[in-house]
Amino acid sequence: DIQMTQSPSTLSASVGDRVTITCRASQSIRNWLAWYQQKPGKAPKLLIYEASSLESGVPSRFSGSGSGTEFTLTISSLQPDDFATYYCQQYSTYSGTFGPGTKLEIK
Amino acid sequence: EVQLVESGGVLVPPGGSLRLSCAASGFTFDDYTMHWVRQAPGKGLEWVSLITWDGGSTYYADSVWGRFSISRDNSKDSLYLQMNSLRTDDTALYYCGKDREAFGEFPLEYWGQGTLVTVSS
Repeated sequence: DIQMTQSPSTLSASVGDRVTITCRASQSIRNWLAWYQQKPGKAPKLLIYEASSLESGVPSRFSGSGSGTEFTLTISSLQPDDFATYYCQQYSTYSGTFGPGTKLEIK
Repeated sequence: EVQLVESGGVLVPPGGSLRLSCAASGFTFDDYTMHWVRQAPGKGLEWVSLITWDGGSTYYADSVWGRFSISRDNSKDSLYLQMNSLRTDDTALYYCGKDREAFGEFPLEYWGQGTLVTVSS
Protein backbone atom coordinates (compact mmCIF):
# COMPACT_ATOMS: atom_id res chain seq x y z
CA ASP A 1 0.00 0.00 0.00
CA ILE A 2 1.12 3.55 -0.68
CA GLN A 3 1.73 5.62 2.44
CA MET A 4 1.52 9.40 2.50
CA THR A 5 3.30 11.78 4.82
CA GLN A 6 2.96 15.54 5.21
CA SER A 7 5.20 18.16 6.75
CA PRO A 8 4.93 20.11 8.84
CA SER A 9 2.04 18.79 10.89
CA THR A 10 1.36 22.29 12.16
CA LEU A 11 2.39 25.58 10.60
CA SER A 12 2.06 29.00 12.22
CA ALA A 13 2.02 31.92 9.82
CA SER A 14 0.74 35.46 9.38
CA VAL A 15 -1.54 37.09 6.85
CA GLY A 16 0.49 37.93 3.78
CA ASP A 17 3.07 35.18 4.32
CA ARG A 18 4.07 32.72 1.63
CA VAL A 19 3.73 29.16 2.93
CA THR A 20 4.59 25.75 1.57
CA ILE A 21 3.31 22.35 2.68
CA THR A 22 5.08 19.19 1.57
CA CYS A 23 3.54 15.80 0.85
CA ARG A 24 5.55 12.65 0.19
CA ALA A 25 4.47 9.28 -1.15
CA SER A 26 6.13 5.99 -0.24
CA GLN A 27 6.43 5.14 -3.94
CA SER A 28 5.94 6.97 -7.21
CA ILE A 29 2.41 8.16 -7.84
CA ARG A 30 3.35 10.12 -10.98
CA ASN A 31 1.12 13.20 -10.74
CA TRP A 32 -1.94 11.53 -9.24
CA LEU A 33 -2.20 13.82 -6.25
CA ALA A 34 -4.90 16.13 -4.93
CA TRP A 35 -4.95 18.77 -2.21
CA TYR A 36 -7.96 19.56 -0.04
CA GLN A 37 -8.73 22.28 2.47
CA GLN A 38 -10.90 21.55 5.50
CA LYS A 39 -12.26 24.02 8.02
CA PRO A 40 -13.67 22.96 11.40
CA GLY A 41 -17.12 21.40 11.14
CA LYS A 42 -17.07 21.50 7.35
CA ALA A 43 -16.53 19.00 4.57
CA PRO A 44 -13.21 19.12 2.70
CA LYS A 45 -12.88 21.29 -0.39
CA LEU A 46 -10.87 20.28 -3.45
CA LEU A 47 -8.13 22.79 -4.27
CA ILE A 48 -5.67 21.09 -6.62
CA TYR A 49 -5.82 17.89 -8.70
CA GLU A 50 -3.25 16.07 -10.83
CA ALA A 51 -0.60 17.70 -8.62
CA SER A 52 -0.77 21.15 -10.22
CA SER A 53 -4.20 21.79 -11.76
CA LEU A 54 -6.20 24.43 -9.95
CA GLU A 55 -9.82 23.52 -9.31
CA SER A 56 -12.35 25.96 -10.74
CA GLY A 57 -13.16 28.80 -8.36
CA VAL A 58 -10.06 28.33 -6.20
CA PRO A 59 -8.01 31.52 -5.82
CA SER A 60 -4.82 31.70 -7.86
CA ARG A 61 -2.72 32.23 -4.73
CA PHE A 62 -2.95 28.44 -4.32
CA SER A 63 -0.58 26.38 -6.44
CA GLY A 64 0.67 22.82 -6.50
CA SER A 65 3.78 21.21 -7.87
CA GLY A 66 5.74 17.98 -7.90
CA SER A 67 5.68 14.53 -9.37
CA GLY A 68 6.79 11.06 -8.44
CA THR A 69 7.09 11.02 -4.67
CA GLU A 70 7.41 14.65 -3.56
CA PHE A 71 4.78 17.35 -3.86
CA THR A 72 4.15 20.82 -2.53
CA LEU A 73 1.18 23.08 -1.96
CA THR A 74 2.05 26.76 -1.89
CA ILE A 75 -0.09 29.68 -0.80
CA SER A 76 1.56 32.79 -2.18
CA SER A 77 0.04 35.35 0.20
CA LEU A 78 -1.99 34.04 3.10
CA GLN A 79 -5.45 35.44 3.58
CA PRO A 80 -7.55 35.16 6.76
CA ASP A 81 -9.82 32.61 5.08
CA ASP A 82 -6.87 30.25 4.44
CA PHE A 83 -6.35 29.19 8.05
CA ALA A 84 -7.51 25.59 7.95
CA THR A 85 -6.21 22.02 7.73
CA TYR A 86 -4.79 20.81 4.42
CA TYR A 87 -4.69 17.21 3.24
CA CYS A 88 -3.00 15.60 0.28
CA GLN A 89 -4.48 12.47 -1.32
CA GLN A 90 -2.85 10.06 -3.73
CA TYR A 91 -4.97 8.30 -6.32
CA SER A 92 -2.49 6.38 -8.44
CA THR A 93 -4.11 3.14 -7.35
CA TYR A 94 -7.73 2.34 -6.67
CA SER A 95 -7.34 3.52 -3.11
CA GLY A 96 -7.25 7.17 -2.27
CA THR A 97 -4.83 7.36 0.63
CA PHE A 98 -4.82 10.70 2.44
CA GLY A 99 -1.89 12.29 4.18
CA PRO A 100 -2.24 12.98 7.91
CA GLY A 101 -2.93 16.69 7.40
CA THR A 102 -1.22 20.02 8.04
CA LYS A 103 -2.93 22.50 10.33
CA LEU A 104 -2.26 26.07 9.29
CA GLU A 105 -2.61 28.38 12.27
CA ILE A 106 -2.49 32.12 12.74
CA LYS A 107 0.77 33.28 14.27
CA GLU B 1 -26.61 22.59 -7.73
CA VAL B 2 -24.93 19.36 -6.66
CA GLN B 3 -26.24 18.03 -3.36
CA LEU B 4 -25.19 14.96 -1.43
CA VAL B 5 -27.14 14.12 1.71
CA GLU B 6 -25.99 11.27 3.92
CA SER B 7 -28.20 9.48 6.42
CA GLY B 8 -28.29 6.41 8.60
CA GLY B 9 -25.64 7.17 11.18
CA VAL B 10 -26.54 6.08 14.70
CA LEU B 11 -25.11 4.57 17.88
CA VAL B 12 -24.50 0.84 17.37
CA PRO B 13 -22.82 -1.76 19.63
CA PRO B 14 -19.56 -3.47 18.62
CA GLY B 15 -20.23 -6.34 16.26
CA GLY B 16 -23.38 -4.70 14.95
CA SER B 17 -24.41 -3.71 11.45
CA LEU B 18 -25.54 -0.50 9.84
CA ARG B 19 -26.45 0.77 6.38
CA LEU B 20 -25.61 4.32 5.37
CA SER B 21 -27.33 6.07 2.49
CA CYS B 22 -26.42 9.07 0.36
CA ALA B 23 -29.06 10.82 -1.74
CA ALA B 24 -27.61 12.67 -4.73
CA SER B 25 -29.08 15.44 -6.85
CA GLY B 26 -28.04 18.16 -9.25
CA PHE B 27 -25.98 15.97 -11.60
CA THR B 28 -26.25 12.86 -13.77
CA PHE B 29 -25.64 10.35 -10.99
CA ASP B 30 -24.98 7.32 -13.19
CA ASP B 31 -22.08 9.08 -14.95
CA TYR B 32 -19.95 9.42 -11.82
CA THR B 33 -17.86 7.23 -9.55
CA MET B 34 -18.89 7.74 -5.93
CA HIS B 35 -16.93 7.38 -2.69
CA TRP B 36 -17.21 7.04 1.05
CA VAL B 37 -14.62 8.81 3.19
CA ARG B 38 -14.60 8.86 6.99
CA GLN B 39 -13.13 11.04 9.71
CA ALA B 40 -12.80 9.89 13.30
CA PRO B 41 -13.44 12.60 15.90
CA GLY B 42 -10.50 15.00 15.94
CA LYS B 43 -8.58 12.93 13.38
CA GLY B 44 -7.71 13.06 9.70
CA LEU B 45 -9.49 11.83 6.60
CA GLU B 46 -9.57 8.16 5.65
CA TRP B 47 -10.76 7.00 2.25
CA VAL B 48 -13.10 4.01 2.71
CA SER B 49 -14.49 2.81 -0.60
CA LEU B 50 -15.46 3.66 -4.17
CA ILE B 51 -17.92 2.33 -6.71
CA THR B 52 -17.68 3.08 -10.41
CA TRP B 53 -20.46 4.83 -12.31
CA ASP B 54 -22.05 1.60 -13.49
CA GLY B 55 -21.55 -0.29 -10.24
CA GLY B 56 -19.27 -2.68 -12.07
CA SER B 57 -16.21 -2.18 -9.89
CA THR B 58 -15.77 -1.59 -6.19
CA TYR B 59 -12.67 -0.95 -4.09
CA TYR B 60 -12.07 -0.79 -0.37
CA ALA B 61 -9.51 0.35 2.16
CA ASP B 62 -7.75 -2.54 3.86
CA SER B 63 -9.24 -1.46 7.19
CA VAL B 64 -12.79 -2.23 6.04
CA TRP B 65 -12.22 -4.95 3.43
CA GLY B 66 -14.50 -7.92 4.04
CA ARG B 67 -16.70 -6.02 6.50
CA PHE B 68 -18.09 -3.12 4.45
CA SER B 69 -19.90 -3.26 1.11
CA ILE B 70 -20.57 -0.30 -1.17
CA SER B 71 -23.46 -0.28 -3.63
CA ARG B 72 -25.56 2.14 -5.64
CA ASP B 73 -29.02 2.35 -7.16
CA ASN B 74 -28.79 4.55 -10.23
CA SER B 75 -32.57 4.51 -10.64
CA LYS B 76 -32.82 6.23 -7.26
CA ASP B 77 -29.68 8.42 -7.48
CA SER B 78 -28.52 6.81 -4.27
CA LEU B 79 -25.30 5.44 -2.81
CA TYR B 80 -25.09 2.99 0.08
CA LEU B 81 -22.56 1.59 2.52
CA GLN B 82 -23.38 -1.65 4.31
CA MET B 83 -21.24 -1.89 7.42
CA ASN B 84 -20.95 -5.23 9.25
CA SER B 85 -18.90 -6.45 12.19
CA LEU B 86 -18.51 -2.91 13.38
CA ARG B 87 -15.64 -2.06 15.72
CA THR B 88 -15.08 0.87 18.02
CA ASP B 89 -12.43 2.23 15.64
CA ASP B 90 -15.12 2.56 12.94
CA THR B 91 -16.55 5.46 14.94
CA ALA B 92 -16.41 8.44 12.58
CA LEU B 93 -18.23 10.98 10.50
CA TYR B 94 -18.90 9.28 7.16
CA TYR B 95 -18.87 11.48 4.07
CA CYS B 96 -20.29 10.64 0.66
CA GLY B 97 -18.27 12.10 -2.21
CA LYS B 98 -18.64 12.61 -5.95
CA ASP B 99 -15.83 12.38 -8.47
CA ARG B 100 -14.67 15.46 -10.31
CA GLU B 101 -15.02 14.01 -13.80
CA ALA B 102 -17.54 11.67 -15.40
CA PHE B 103 -16.34 8.13 -15.95
CA GLY B 104 -13.17 8.63 -13.92
CA GLU B 105 -11.95 7.70 -10.44
CA PHE B 106 -10.81 10.48 -8.12
CA PRO B 107 -10.44 13.15 -6.99
CA LEU B 108 -13.52 14.02 -4.96
CA GLU B 109 -15.06 17.29 -6.10
CA TYR B 110 -18.23 17.41 -4.02
CA TRP B 111 -18.81 16.13 -0.51
CA GLY B 112 -21.87 15.79 1.67
CA GLN B 113 -21.99 17.06 5.23
CA GLY B 114 -21.54 13.60 6.71
CA THR B 115 -23.43 11.22 8.97
CA LEU B 116 -22.04 10.22 12.36
CA VAL B 117 -21.54 6.57 13.20
CA THR B 118 -20.73 5.77 16.82
CA VAL B 119 -19.74 2.23 17.74
CA SER B 120 -19.94 1.75 21.48
CA SER B 121 -21.43 -0.55 24.08
